[in-house]
Amino acid sequence: GQQVMQIPQYQHVQEGEDFTTYCNSSTTLSNIQWYKQRPGGHPVFLIQLVKSGEVKKQKRLTFQFGEAKKNSSLHITATQTTDVGTYFCAGMTTDSWGKLQFGAGTQVVVTP
Amino acid sequence: DAGVTQSPTHLIKTRGQQVTLRCSPKSGHDTVSWYQQALGQGPQFIFQYYEEEERQRGNFPDRFSGHQFPNYSSELNVNALLLGDSALYLCASSLGRGYTEAFFGQGTRLTVV
Repeated sequence: GQQVMQIPQYQHVQEGEDFTTYCNSSTTLSNIQWYKQRPGGHPVFLIQLVKSGEVKKQKRLTFQFGEAKKNSSLHITATQTTDVGTYFCAGMTTDSWGKLQFGAGTQVVVTP
Repeated sequence: DAGVTQSPTHLIKTRGQQVTLRCSPKSGHDTVSWYQQALGQGPQFIFQYYEEEERQRGNFPDRFSGHQFPNYSSELNVNALLLGDSALYLCASSLGRGYTEAFFGQGTRLTVV
């Protein structure tokens, strides 16, 4: 079945530094979504990517969808303490429409 | 505008018992999905309800069942609870089933002892 993998599992970042987290799917996706979950909280939607090669920016966050629609990345520049949390990617395929398959997440810790 | 609300927030049950969790979707949303999130893991899709029918199902046994009511609210039922069912159960609502963001509730923390 479809699997979504994320690396790294943990990311320790110095405040002000940049980092990237990666998401890989075993199957071609119709779309991919990214969520952020703060400690003790629930996932909050960040972005959705649908088109092959799509790039979207939200302030310091840049999201990319691979040309083959099997991978995605999230790049954060000038990390702030407010970026602390776990970032999940979640993919959907046309065969399983409506079923969001989440990765295990990248837990981000920011050191001041 | 209330977002997605879930009840109860915490629950302790004994092995073998049955539990019902409830979810009210965000106003205007017609689709409800349920997820199980174990500690340190990503949410695992249980099933999705749309137009009062189960439309998609993840790899969960038949002990997990659900229902959607005409007002779009939903219930998740788990029978014959196992220790391994201890997790955070998240409800997410959306407008439609596919290319749409999901709004999550705060979850129900279920502990099976």
